[in-house]
Amino acid sequence: SQTIHQWPATLVQPVGSPLSLECTVEGTSNPNLYWYRQAAGRGLQLLFYSVGIGQISSEVPQNLSASRPQDRQFILSSKKLLLSDSGFYLCAWSRDVNTEAFFGQGTRLTVV
Amino acid sequence: AQSVTQPDIHITVSEGASLELRCNYSYGATPYLFWYVQSPGQGLQLLLKYFSGDTLVQGIKGFEAEFKRSQSSFNLRKPSVHWSDAAEYFCAGLSGGYNKLIFGAGTRLAVHP
Repeated sequence: SQTIHQWPATLVQPVGSPLSLECTVEGTSNPNLYWYRQAAGRGLQLLFYSVGIGQISSEVPQNLSASRPQDRQFILSSKKLLLSDSGFYLCAWSRDVNTEAFFGQGTRLTVV
Repeated sequence: AQSVTQPDIHITVSEGASLELRCNYSYGATPYLFWYVQSPGQGLQLLLKYFSGDTLVQGIKGFEAEFKRSQSSFNLRKPSVHWSDAAEYFCAGLSGGYNKLIFGAGTRLAVHP
């Protein structure tokens, strides 16, 4: 069966520090991968998606970037965090462009 | 533009009572529709999905949802709520040709004993 791993679960970082969140998927190949952000009391906003290695699409302009160095690895990064980057970050995968997505357990990021 | 709307931000029901969570969509074509549930501090778990065919779909944990094209709705229902159903519920839509889910703002469900 397929599983998705996301870490760390919780992270507290100072403003201006770098960020690296990692997500890996097991049990499938060539998944579509996604990064979502969930702000407090709000729905989910798609940040990035990837349909293959090295292929990244950004949905909103922001202080973050994403990379896909391997087929089942998706990384969310920032060179310098802002206070507004605080939130709950969720990685997800899907088999195809028109199928359901499966989510990781999320990372709670607090920028102080 | 495609959108998914959940009109109710917060709902409280008594344990054992029936539940209906509302979801409305705005899409050019019939979208693929989903309901997810999120417990505090956790990721999202898929409850059920609608792609085509029967308009009443069954999901996990005793949930069902009915797709109504005439009302652009995809409401989630459960005949008898358990205390463990307290969580946040998200409706989401996926339009053919696009590879991203559009989520509603969520409905937080509280269950009174």
